[in-house]
Amino acid sequence: EVQLVESGGGLVQPGGSLRLSCSASGFTFSNYAMHWVRQAPGKGLEYVSAISSNGGSTYYADSVKERFTISRDNSKNTLHLQMSSLRGEDTAVYFCAAWHSSASYWGQGTLVTVSS
Amino acid sequence: QSALTQPASVSGSPGQSITISCTGTVSDVGGYNYVSWYQQHPGKAPKLMIYDVSNRPSGISNRFSGSKSGNTASLTISGLQAEDEADYYCSSYTSITTLEVFGGGTKLTVL
Repeated sequence: EVQLVESGGGLVQPGGSLRLSCSASGFTFSNYAMHWVRQAPGKGLEYVSAISSNGGSTYYADSVKERFTISRDNSKNTLHLQMSSLRGEDTAVYFCAAWHSSASYWGQGTLVTVSS
Repeated sequence: QSALTQPASVSGSPGQSITISCTGTVSDVGGYNYVSWYQQHPGKAPKLMIYDVSNRPSGISNRFSGSKSGNTASLTISGLQAEDEADYYCSSYTSITTLEVFGGGTKLTVL
């Protein structure tokens, strides 16, 4: 059974930092590009960041560029998102996901709340 | 990285058919056959319903179908059922970022 389990969310003050992790199992993690997608309360899906299967290429939405860093450890089947200089508009459920053609795997998400 | 354009809401009665549109540009929807549709129930993760414009993953009901014309993709749900009530999102490959862009989402209400 495919599982993606996010962790690391919580309440953080504006300007603070947080590191999200996503533990993968049930599929060949190292074969897939991995993605972070977020959803602000009551809002739609927003693409945040992606990393290639070998970690050699990364992508960031303009809204998080130079504040967030995506990384992966294929030996531990783990994806990370280091978030810094957090703002109120970063408040959202953060999903890790992997997809290719008919294969689509999503975690249940972890809530990040940025508030003083 | 502008979102694809979807109607905010659609509704239909049980047994009826509805169609949700997703409008982009030649850089995404119109230029590539890489449009996907996701269903999301409250508090749940998105679930892939259609990929590559019109293909259904294994286990997805044939009541769900996808198509594309020009810069607009469409999701049609026939024989509406109560459990179809959810938010639906389209996504497409975009050459601008060489990754994906999502639509703003459409809330489907089954009357």
